[in-house]
Formats: sequence, C-alpha cells, structure tokens
Amino acid sequence: SQQGEEDPQALSIQEGENATMNCSYKTSINNLQWYRQNSGRGLVHLILIRSNEREKHSGRLRVTLDTSKKSSSLLITASRAADTASYFCATVLQGGSEKLVFGKGTKLTVNP
Amino acid sequence: DAGVIQSPRHEVTEMGQEVTLRCKPISGHNSLFWYRQTMMRGLELLIYFNNNVPIDDSGMPEDRFSAKMPNASFSTLKIQPSEPRDSAVYFCASSLVVGQPQHFGDGTRLSIL
Repeated sequence: SQQGEEDPQALSIQEGENATMNCSYKTSINNLQWYRQNSGRGLVHLILIRSNEREKHSGRLRVTLDTSKKSSSLLITASRAADTASYFCATVLQGGSEKLVFGKGTKLTVNP
Repeated sequence: DAGVIQSPRHEVTEMGQEVTLRCKPISGHNSLFWYRQTMMRGLELLIYFNNNVPIDDSGMPEDRFSAKMPNASFSTLKIQPSEPRDSAVYFCASSLVVGQPQHFGDGTRLSIL
C-alpha cells in the first residue's frame, strides 16, 4: 500500500493565489521530500525536510512537517501558470532500506 | 552538467518481443533506481542499485523483468517477453546516496501492442 497519500488529488486555482497540498504517511520516517512533475517529463526534486525539522522554505515554497500527525504540507505562494504540474511527496522510512516511497500526487492547475 | 539520460524516449513493440531500456546516471552518483509509472498504480519502485550492486528488487513484477548495472555509468532494464500490461512510462533516477534527493530522467514511454 502507498506510504504517502496526497490530498487533494486535484486542485485548480487562479494565478496569484496560494496552493496548499497535504501528504499523510503511515510509519516513522527519516525524511520527507516533495517533487514536481510536468507533463511528459521526469520528477524534479523541490525540497527535503528531515524528521527533526518542522518547517522549511525555498523561494515561494514552504513545507511543514508534523511527525505526531504523520503529515506534511506544501504551500506554493503567489502561484504562476508555470506551477501547473503534479506534486508528489515521498518518504524515506526509518529503519528501512532508505528507498523513497512515493504517493500518487496532487495535480495542480494554475489558471492565468 | 548532464542529467540522467534515458533511451529510447518512446518504444512501441509487439507482445512477446524483448524490450531493453537504457539509463546513464549522473556522474558521481552511487545509487540508481528504476521506476514504473501508470495512472492506476502511480509511481512504483522496481529495483535499485547501490555502487552497481542490486539492493532491493522486491518491486520487480515477475521473472520477465531483469535489470543490470555493469558499471557506474550504465544500467539496463529488460523485459522478455513483453506483454500489453507492461505498457507504462519507465523512469530511471540517480542520487549521491540512497535516501537523498533523486534526479530523474525524462522516462521511456513503452507501449506493448
């Protein structure tokens, strides 16, 4: 079964609005990573947050991690049409083989 | 700096044929991963290598699938014989070490007729 589950499955917003995507997971992790995938392309790494971190920023991206709730959120501020893509969370399980386990993603559409 | 390079980008072949997908990881990366992506099942890890050694092949669907990494700069994923249900996008990714950010190629879109 999937370790990470993103919510919502699809999100449609207007340019300039903020977009929030959530990820829940089931077992303890070493780190959690967010990736973006544009149509027809491979995944691109956005940000990594370790299990002892609560918040991380990178440009217009803000990631939070709540290990007590086993959840993470990705906030994209002031969205642009170019942010249209699918976004995936991936977890590295604690005590495991350190491979990434991906969720099924959130499809974000930013309308100009 | 070249990213992960996969070939071919597209492959269309008939059921029963052998299919070989190729991957060149980023130079200096010690870990290499093969994934399969479909609408139904999402992104699935098939196998990964660390320092050219297969570490976890639990995601390989069946014996028709095999993967090799003869050296640090090349890996292949082979399907023999291929079946229509193997149709998917296959991605190769590499990372400096396991557990760290992965760099993906643009994938091979495989269609088995």
